[in-house]
Amino acid sequence: DTEVTQTPKHLVMGMTNKKSLKCEQHMGHRAMYWYKQKAKKPPELMFVYSYEKLSINESVPSRFSPECPNSSLLNLHLHALQPEDSALYLCASSQDAGSDAVDTQYFGPGTRLTVL
Amino acid sequence: AQKVTQAQTEISVVEKEDVTLDCVYETRDTTYYLFWYKQPPSGELVFLIRRNSFDEQNEISGRYSWNFQKSTSSFNFTITASQVVDSAVYFCALTMNRDDKIIFGKGTRLHILP
Repeated sequence: DTEVTQTPKHLVMGMTNKKSLKCEQHMGHRAMYWYKQKAKKPPELMFVYSYEKLSINESVPSRFSPECPNSSLLNLHLHALQPEDSALYLCASSQDAGSDAVDTQYFGPGTRLTVL
Repeated sequence: AQKVTQAQTEISVVEKEDVTLDCVYETRDTTYYLFWYKQPPSGELVFLIRRNSFDEQNEISGRYSWNFQKSTSSFNFTITASQVVDSAVYFCALTMNRDDKIIFGKGTRLHILP
């Protein structure tokens, strides 16, 4: 089973709203990722969690706040977003086998976010 | 610098035709990994294949085949007897050893016409 689930599928929010995106995997993976994808562009890495600790933050604005409550769950808290933040937000997970190998990242279906 | 180039922005073929998606990569590392992902209109990136730099064997999976050639730094993807369900954006990607970051190409949008 290589399933990563994301909720909600679609989200519309105003610039003053606070909302959260949720990602879940039950593959025993220890690395989880958030990506942002604008239309007709490849995904761009935002954050990486490894063993529930933030290991990479690609200089993402503080209005995006990630959280990893446990090894199966990854949240992305959104606050005071701008219309240009409208995009597809993808979550991914990988085994995180350590320093000797690169693991395949498996992606969820994404959340289509619209900021009004 | 590491880079993935997918020169074909968009391709349209008629169903049952064969189609090849090109991917050229650049890296100075000797150990690296190459991937292909499919992104249908629904949005999910579906993992198709992974190859490490020491394994140049070509791979076939049903109607899909991949040709990895280190001499030309290419990792091309061929769909045989294409079907409408193959319509999607296909991304070629590169990762260096001990690195969580994926370097994606810009993607090739494939239209299979009935």
